[in-house]
Amino acid sequence: EIVLTQSPGTLSLSPGERATLSCRASQSVSDNYLTWHQQKPGQAPRLLMNGASRRATGIPDRFSGSGSGTDFTLTIDTLEPEDFAVYYCQQYSSSAITFGQGTRLEIK
Amino acid sequence: EAQLVESGGGLVQPGDSLRLSCAVSGFTFDVNWMSWVRQAPGKGLEWVANSKYDDSAENYVDSVKGRFTISRDNAKNTLYLQMNSLRAEDTAVYFCASRNSFDNWGQGTLVTVSS
Repeated sequence: EIVLTQSPGTLSLSPGERATLSCRASQSVSDNYLTWHQQKPGQAPRLLMNGASRRATGIPDRFSGSGSGTDFTLTIDTLEPEDFAVYYCQQYSSSAITFGQGTRLEIK
Repeated sequence: EAQLVESGGGLVQPGDSLRLSCAVSGFTFDVNWMSWVRQAPGKGLEWVANSKYDDSAENYVDSVKGRFTISRDNAKNTLYLQMNSLRAEDTAVYFCASRNSFDNWGQGTLVTVSS
């Protein structure tokens, strides 16, 4: 099983700042089968990024993803109030799909 | 636009069974892998099981192997999760999601296992 470790657990920032979220895998994620999802309280998650760096339909370009192998990053430029949520990375390069434990992005 | 609608959740006792359904519209169901993902109260996301588009393969998280069975009816565009021998730790909101990248999610259905 590929274990995904996200850091930090909680990130406190102000609107207008830049957020950098990290996701580290215990072994290489092949073909960049790495996604990022956003979840707001009481809502279902929403796909933000696929293939580590490809924005899903309708996702604003202030969201960007990067990385390969075992280290991946989600960056949110110029935070908007609606961006404060929990973010999960997820891999599907192995038959046992796994999620990271999540990073909570909160308003400072 | 893709729509996934789960149903079948509820309050059951430990050891009971429950079957969840996920009705899908707005995308081609029979060419996509489909998954169940759950979220215990106040916790993170956990993938539970997935089903290959032609129902020829399925995978499960270790904690549900032998107790849960995923299936699908491509003629009805519906995904199922049969849950047997339910335990308190299975209490969660259960989401269905499309493809292994979870491009689309349903709103979830709550399963509570308690005596």
